Amino acid sequence: AQSVTQPDIHITVSEGASLELRCNYSYGATPYLFWYVQSPGQGLQLLLKYFSGDTLVQGIKGFEAEFKRSQSSFNLRKPSVHWSDAAEYFCAVGNTGGFKTIFGAGTRLFVKA
Amino acid sequence: DGGITQSPKYLFRKEGQNVTLSCEQNLNHDAMYWYRQDPGQGLRLIYYSQIVNDFQKGDIAEGYSVSREKKESFPLTVTSAQKNPTAFYLCASSISPGNTGELFFGEGSRLTVL
Repeated sequence: AQSVTQPDIHITVSEGASLELRCNYSYGATPYLFWYVQSPGQGLQLLLKYFSGDTLVQGIKGFEAEFKRSQSSFNLRKPSVHWSDAAEYFCAVGNTGGFKTIFGAGTRLFVKA
Repeated sequence: DGGITQSPKYLFRKEGQNVTLSCEQNLNHDAMYWYRQDPGQGLRLIYYSQIVNDFQKGDIAEGYSVSREKKESFPLTVTSAQKNPTAFYLCASSISPGNTGELFFGEGSRLTVL
């Protein structure tokens, strides 16, 4: 069965520190992978996506993610976190066979001064 | 600006009442979706629609109903049969059939059952 696992329910980092949010997926074919961000009480916004090609993808707001097929991972990174990055982050996997995008449970990021 | 508009943002309901959440998009997207979000559970698919006058059940369709009479609109009715309707509801759309998973979201509607 398709699934997405975000092992960390919440993470706290200091402003200016680097960030890595983990995402592992289970999927039978080459997945379409996504990271979305959600501010409290808001909808989700796409940060970046991977369909094919270069396994390191750049997104908005200075985020990047690396697809590692051997590890079934798609971790999100940012070199220097800003207080405005505090939000919930969702990893998701999609496919062309249907209309079901599978979301992870989310990781809430707290940023401390 | 193009986007997805959900209304109302907050809604309170008494037990036994049906309520309808509105979702309108002006992105000219073919596919539309309704998700339910509960703390710690991510997003779960309620219903989706690929084209007008057609829709399919998602993973948690029981107690919900939808219609798709216009391309721009995909309202969700939470019926009295839904056992635990208090949640945050998100409407989304995508560009074309053959979903690549890239979704565009509205700002959500929070339903509270009193």
